[in-house]
Amino acid sequence: DADVTQTPRNRITKTGKRIMLECSQTKGHDRMYWYRQDPGLGLRLIYYSFDVKDINKGEISDGYSVSRQAQAKFSLSLESAIPNQTALYFCATSDNRGGTEAFFGQGTRLTVV
Amino acid sequence: AQSVTQLGSHVSVSEGALVLLRCNYSSSVPPYLFWYVQYPNKGLQLLLKYTSAATLVKGINGFEAEFKKSETSFHLTKPSAHMSDAAEYFCAVSPYGNNRLAFGKGNQVVVIP
Repeated sequence: DADVTQTPRNRITKTGKRIMLECSQTKGHDRMYWYRQDPGLGLRLIYYSFDVKDINKGEISDGYSVSRQAQAKFSLSLESAIPNQTALYFCATSDNRGGTEAFFGQGTRLTVV
Repeated sequence: AQSVTQLGSHVSVSEGALVLLRCNYSSSVPPYLFWYVQYPNKGLQLLLKYTSAATLVKGINGFEAEFKKSETSFHLTKPSAHMSDAAEYFCAVSPYGNNRLAFGKGNQVVVIP
């Protein structure tokens, strides 16, 4: 089983719908992240959480919200999806030591029509 | 704020030729630097990282990168390209003591037989 699991892997939704992307990890890491990937733009940080009670906005948080349900679970919600939120979304985890690598899930491809 | 510049979104290289991907960073403090690879329909995988030890870092699959503080660069090289190296490559930086990664826009590498 993958260390970082994202569900669903693919999703098509309509404009205005609420959608939740889920992430769970078995790494035992405290830190979790949500990134968005767009062609030619690389990955941009949406939200991050350094522990269950700590949630922080990243560089592109508008239109998104998150919930850290447990150390192992971090979900991303789009309250009212819009077409320019069509992208590939990645969840990642890391431990607390500076300079350690982030471990990424397989990604969720979201299309908003 | 930290940022990463990767020039040339698409890079074509002949099989057996040198692979060179350039990465320049801006950071007010010595950063941690990473190269990640993304194969088609996969998540990101760490190739190598610089964490203030040796300036020449060796990674997986024959890749290496050299940290040059005077040039604020962390270029990725591989002496001889294989067909299996076709993927997208991302340079990323995180500031000291913080694991939030800032990514470059990526290089899509195409290997020509």
